[in-house]
Amino acid sequence: GNSVTQMEGPVTLSEEAFLTINCTYTATGYPSLFWYVQYPGEGLQLLLKATKADDKGSNKGFEATYRKETTSFHLEKGSVQVSDSAVYFCALSSGGSNYKLTFGKGTLLTVNP
Amino acid sequence: EADIYQTPRYLVIGTGKKITLECSQTMGHDKMYWYQQDPGMELHLIHYSYGVNSTEKGDLSSESTVSRIRTEHFPLTLESARPSHTSQYLCASSSTRQGPTYQETQYFGPGTRLLVL
Repeated sequence: GNSVTQMEGPVTLSEEAFLTINCTYTATGYPSLFWYVQYPGEGLQLLLKATKADDKGSNKGFEATYRKETTSFHLEKGSVQVSDSAVYFCALSSGGSNYKLTFGKGTLLTVNP
Repeated sequence: EADIYQTPRYLVIGTGKKITLECSQTMGHDKMYWYQQDPGMELHLIHYSYGVNSTEKGDLSSESTVSRIRTEHFPLTLESARPSHTSQYLCASSSTRQGPTYQETQYFGPGTRLLVL
């Protein structure tokens, strides 16, 4: 079956530090990969996605590259801000008749000024 | 920006009460989902729907029930609330018409925080 393993938190960084949150997956077929973000007190928002190998998703300074050879989709940002403090979820969808998302357990990021 | 709404945002209720959590979307999406989110953040799919008159149980067993009489509306009901039902409930929707592939993006509502005393 499908599974997503992401880096356990919490992660605490200072403003302007470099961020990496690791995500690896197991899936049948050719999944699409997603990063969602959940700000305090809110629902999940799509941050970025990639639908095929070597695709790079990017948004708001965050990037992640779909690496089929290492089954990974690590989230990176060069310089984090206090406003990036949130919970980040890696997820996959194997598509076709299976449109359910499989989520990782979430990583809490706190950015201090 | 996604147009998916959940009410109420917060609910405190006594044990044994019947409650309905509302979820509506204005995007014409055919698929809708309910997730339960632990205090530890992990998300569990409890119900989903492929379209009108279709409902399925998710990966986590739940005492709640759902209905899908209209495309835009996917309410979740607990007949008799218990403290173990205390959680955050997130509704989401997606569409097979989003693009040339079946790799669909789910759009989430803001969630309902439920506390059962």
